[in-house]
Amino acid sequence: EVQLVESGGGLVKPGGSLRLSCAASGFTLSAYGMNWVRQAPGKGLEWVSSISSSSTYIYYADSVKGRFTISRENAKQSLYLQMNSLRAEDTAVYFCARGRCSTTCALDSWGQGTLVTVSS
Amino acid sequence: DIQMTQSPSTLPASVGDRVTVTCRASQSISNWLAWYQQKPGKAPKLLIYDASSLESGVPSRFSGSGFGTEFTLTISSLQPDDFATYYCQQSNTYSFTFGPGTKVDIK
Repeated sequence: EVQLVESGGGLVKPGGSLRLSCAASGFTLSAYGMNWVRQAPGKGLEWVSSISSSSTYIYYADSVKGRFTISRENAKQSLYLQMNSLRAEDTAVYFCARGRCSTTCALDSWGQGTLVTVSS
Repeated sequence: DIQMTQSPSTLPASVGDRVTVTCRASQSISNWLAWYQQKPGKAPKLLIYDASSLESGVPSRFSGSGFGTEFTLTISSLQPDDFATYYCQQSNTYSFTFGPGTKVDIK
């Protein structure tokens, strides 16, 4: 069974940093691109960042570019999101999601999410 | 950047209704479109990919259609478990832009 488990969320002050982790099991992480998607309280889904299977290609939403860094360790079946210079508007539940690409790409498996709260 | 819109934002419906949600892209995305269902406090669930392909395990009452800039998600006969928020998402560019969502609630 495919499973994604996020961790590392919590309360942080504006300007602070946090590192999220996503532990993958039930599939070979190195075969898939991976993504972070967030959802602010009461709001819709916002794609944050993507990383290809071997880390060759990395993309960010404009809202986080220059502040967030996505990375992965395939040997450890793990995905990460380093978040620096955090702002109140970064407050959200952060989901990791597996990307599946055939003809097109879709996010076919999701974790349960981890809450990040940015507040003084 | 490609922008995604959805209509309506809220859709009151009853069990047994045929329900249609529309998603539009600001420019052509071919068939690079997926649909997700999300219930409160839960992660999204993939329903449709390639604009019209049903994800494994998803009931056949869900269907998707469209190409280019206009897409629809149809639920042929709404069931109690289908009251949720539905999001479209494009993956034509190197990002996964979501639509704002359509909440299907009880009429």
